[in-house]
Amino acid sequence: NAGVTQTPKFRILKIGQSMTLQCAQDMNHNYMYWYRQDPGMGLKLIYYSVGAGITDKGEVPNGYNVSRSTTEDFPLRLELAAPSQTSVYFCASSSPGRGQGEAFFGQGTRLTVV
Amino acid sequence: AQSVSQHNHHVILSEAASLELGCNYSYGGTVNLFWYVQYPGQHLQLLLKYFSGDPLVKGIKGFEAEFIKSKFSFNLRKPSVQWSDTAEYFCAVNPSGAGSYQLTFGKGTKLSVIP
Repeated sequence: NAGVTQTPKFRILKIGQSMTLQCAQDMNHNYMYWYRQDPGMGLKLIYYSVGAGITDKGEVPNGYNVSRSTTEDFPLRLELAAPSQTSVYFCASSSPGRGQGEAFFGQGTRLTVV
Repeated sequence: AQSVSQHNHHVILSEAASLELGCNYSYGGTVNLFWYVQYPGQHLQLLLKYFSGDPLVKGIKGFEAEFIKSKFSFNLRKPSVQWSDTAEYFCAVNPSGAGSYQLTFGKGTKLSVIP
């Protein structure tokens, strides 16, 4: 009963480096999301996807990219990492219809850019 | 676009005290409402949810919330808190209906319970 799995759990990047945060869910959810959480700021939506091959920008997409080639996977790509991207990143998924707002979250990736 | 306001940034209570955390949202239409909890170092977990029907909803661990439509509020309550309730609590809203995918979160309220 894995739910939403994120890797890695922790990562330190140097300014200008790139990386991909992995996210996979085994609940056959159509909807997937990437949020970043900064202290005192709540969660901000970076990107979301309503199904394989369909992605869209959220509130804070700059500096990130996503893809959704399968229902299960929704990786988040950071190109040219900047200190402002130091944050905790959460992947989440949900199903459409009545339960569409009830999101299931992964354990998070704590990223530090130095 | 919808927004969510949580009035308290940090609440400190002694064990057995009663808890009420405020949440107000701004959105003109029908919404689904949620409270999520994040224990230290962990991910967000659903505490309770409201879609329709009885405006008083009960969640896990003795928490409840009341939806007051006229006040655009969804306050979280617990009659007697425990040390294990120390966590950050997030209110979230999602517009009802097809095509509404996104949860909008408040900034969170950190609860510290003193033994």
